[in-house]
Amino acid sequence: TQLLEQSPQFLSIQEGENLTVYCNSSSVFSSLQWYRQEPGEGPVLLVTVVTGGEVKKLKRLTFQFGDARKDSSLHITAAQPGDTGLYLCAGSLSNYQLIWGAGTKLIIKP
Amino acid sequence: EAQVTQNPRYLITVTGKKLTVTCSQNMNHEYMSWYRQDPGLGLRQIYYSMNVEVTDKGDVPEGYKVSRKEKRNFPLILESPSPNQTSLYFCASRLQGAGNYGYTFGSGTRLTVV
Repeated sequence: TQLLEQSPQFLSIQEGENLTVYCNSSSVFSSLQWYRQEPGEGPVLLVTVVTGGEVKKLKRLTFQFGDARKDSSLHITAAQPGDTGLYLCAGSLSNYQLIWGAGTKLIIKP
Repeated sequence: EAQVTQNPRYLITVTGKKLTVTCSQNMNHEYMSWYRQDPGLGLRQIYYSMNVEVTDKGDVPEGYKVSRKEKRNFPLILESPSPNQTSLYFCASRLQGAGNYGYTFGSGTRLTVV
């Protein structure tokens, strides 16, 4: 069974702090995607990383794909209340199979 | 606007009463999928379709049916719903290919079976 472990499961921090969310697996992925989901809505794609060691930035969000393509991290700098949500990672094993992490629930307090 | 449209958003039904949740996408995506999301269990794939008339089981297909007669539509059918199918359901679509394409998700259908 392929697993994608996300940590932490829950994180509550003050506005302005930095944070990092991790996704780890023993499987090698052809790509890894990060999504953000707000209550009552479907997940929205933030980024796809494809190459081992790749770093992508989206404003205050920095995404990194591990060199061996087994893990990834999401770093948020100076978190804002608008960053609140459920963050999901999903690793692609093949054309069709996507393995999902259980999610990190992030709350940013004003 | 590019989107995946699910209906209904909310549904309360009784055990055994057949229901259909509709899903339509306007992006000409080949690949469509149904997921259920339950607390602590994350997103679990129910069925997926790689193109018209091509469907296959995901991780939790029991109690569900799907069809793909047209590229844009991918309805989810519960022939005889049971309380353990109470969940939040998402339809999603993406381009076919190397698996690197991200999903576009619908807004979800919250189903309660009593």
